[in-house]
Amino acid sequence: AQSVTQLGSHVSVSEGALVLLRCNYSSSVPPYLFWYVQYPNQGLQLLLKYTSAATLVKGINGFEAEFKKSETSFHLTKPSAHMSDAAEYFCAVGSGGYNKLIFGAGTRLAVHP
Amino acid sequence: DAGVIQSPRHEVTEMGQEVTLRCKPISGHDYLFWYRQTMMRGLELLIYFNNNVPIDDSGMPEDRFSAKMPNASFSTLKIQPSEPRDSAVYFCASSSHSRSGDNYGYTFGSGTRLTVV
Repeated sequence: AQSVTQLGSHVSVSEGALVLLRCNYSSSVPPYLFWYVQYPNQGLQLLLKYTSAATLVKGINGFEAEFKKSETSFHLTKPSAHMSDAAEYFCAVGSGGYNKLIFGAGTRLAVHP
Repeated sequence: DAGVIQSPRHEVTEMGQEVTLRCKPISGHDYLFWYRQTMMRGLELLIYFNNNVPIDDSGMPEDRFSAKMPNASFSTLKIQPSEPRDSAVYFCASSSHSRSGDNYGYTFGSGTRLTVV
């Protein structure tokens, strides 16, 4: 069985500060891992994905995530937060050949001046 | 590519009425998913299809909900009769995977915000 845990339902940072959103997964098979972003009144948009290639994955809008098998983690980071990064972020886990994704509960990121 | 297209964007209906939500997936995608999002329960997978065939409908709340995919370019989610607790945002998503089994993730539509009064 697969599962995802996002630590912290709300994260608040100052503009220009480091963004760190935490995601831990559980999977009995090699996982595919994803981060999605949801802006208000919009659908979920793919930020980045890990599919067993490089462990450090770069996505859109300056975000990146590192797959750490030993820690079963896939934390999302951005060196310098921008006001436009305020949104809800979802981590998800899936597996090859099986397209169903399991989503975490989401983390709402607030960015203040 | 126009992406996943959902209609309507907003729907307000009275309790007891039938509601039909529509989705057009990305051309060439062989999986289609219906999700419901609420503040209390987050994202819930209702049902998904592979090559137009329903694979897992265990997330459908009750018999009032039904979903169909008559062809590769169209799917509907119907609620009959609707109840106030069905108020939520309903998302459709589609995806594909390679022959080697790579999982490419989903592309989501913009959602339908349903309000049942």
